[in-house]
Parts: sequence; C-alpha cells; structure tokens
Amino acid sequence: EAQVTQNPRYLITVTGKKLTVTCSQNMNHEYMSWYRQDPGLGLRQIYYSMNVEVTDKGDVPEGYKVSRKEKRNFPLILESPSPNQTSLYFCASSIARGSSYNEQFFGPGTRLTVL
Amino acid sequence: GESVGLHLPTLSVQEGDNSIINCAYSNSASDYFIWYKQESGKGPQFIIDIRSNMDKRQGQRVTVLLNKTVKHLSLQIAATQPGDSAVYFCADLEWGTVNKLTFGGGTRVLVKP
Repeated sequence: EAQVTQNPRYLITVTGKKLTVTCSQNMNHEYMSWYRQDPGLGLRQIYYSMNVEVTDKGDVPEGYKVSRKEKRNFPLILESPSPNQTSLYFCASSIARGSSYNEQFFGPGTRLTVL
Repeated sequence: GESVGLHLPTLSVQEGDNSIINCAYSNSASDYFIWYKQESGKGPQFIIDIRSNMDKRQGQRVTVLLNKTVKHLSLQIAATQPGDSAVYFCADLEWGTVNKLTFGGGTRVLVKP
C-alpha cells in the first residue's frame, strides 16, 4: 500500500529534550515536506526537500532541523523543543514534476506536546 | 506575505443537498489552486486542482470554480453525504524556484442526516 508513515503518532516531552519525528514514504517520491498545523492557521511549511541531500527552509523553520540522506526518509529534528512547538505535525511527499506537486500525500500526523 | 483564506469557518449541510465552500486568494501569480479534505484524525487528502487559465473543472461529485477577476475559488460538492464531513482547505501553488503549497485556514463541513 502506497503511504507516508510517521512515528511517533503522539509525543509528550519537556522543554529542551531533543526529539526526532520520523517520516518515511514508499512511493519513490522526490519531494518531501514537513508542515505544522495550528488552530486557525492552517498548515504552514517548516522544511522541504526536492531530493536526496537537498533541503530548504519553508515558512516557519526556526527551531527545527531536517535531513534527507535517503530518498524514502525525511526526519524532523527538534534540538531543544519549546512549548510554542506544541502542534500537530504532518509529513508529505509528492512527485517533483509540474502539477504533481499539487497532489501531496500526507502522513497521519504526529501530535506533539512540549511542557 | 500573501496568503490563501476562507470566508466561512463552518458549513452545516443537509444530507443530499449540495455544498459550496468558498475561498479567497491574494496571490495573482498562482499557477494552480487546489482543494484538500481532512477527516478527523487523518492527514489532508487531495481532492481536485484547477490551473489558473481555467475557470471550471469537474471531478467525481465535485466541481471547482475559479474567478480570477475577484480572486475567488469555490468547491461544490453534489449530493453531500455523511462521508463528506471534514475540514476542507484551499491551497495555491506558484511555480518557480520553490514549488510550495500555501494553505488557507480551512472550513469545517458538517453533514446532517
């Protein structure tokens, strides 16, 4: 089954404790992206990757890091989480050609709470 | 910065009726406009898109209308079903160095039996 998986699905942590949210896709997609979703703000892009070893900042990159060592994986790293990073996080992937960007496949989400 | 927004946060619809979800956009340089559906506890799911040089596109039970004069986008769902209950997001895509979706805030559709 073609899908995007994220782990963990739920995480409660404390300020300053480094964490990683994993994302993996099995569709051989070049493009991958991380979004955060907050009430009333819709989805905002954190980081994206056009292909292996190519990453760039989205609209809200502060406090986050990513890496793209393999095509299928795109982990999101919070080196020192803070309460304002409490949010619902989504990973997405798509083919990186023309209008294919429109159809992004989203993971199930990771709900993060930073105390 | 420019953004995509929505008129109505919540829309209640009787089962079997047609639904119309509206969206205003501000980026006149957008190349595509897209609708996503997000069911409770799930990630967004692509529904339909429309290129900026079109004014109407139909899918299965859905129609998207684009009015560039007033920068307005709408999604029409025919014969709304309980499974259509979800939050609907409009988004736009501008081709260039960064091919990035910009999402609006979302409209919740509640289907009443």
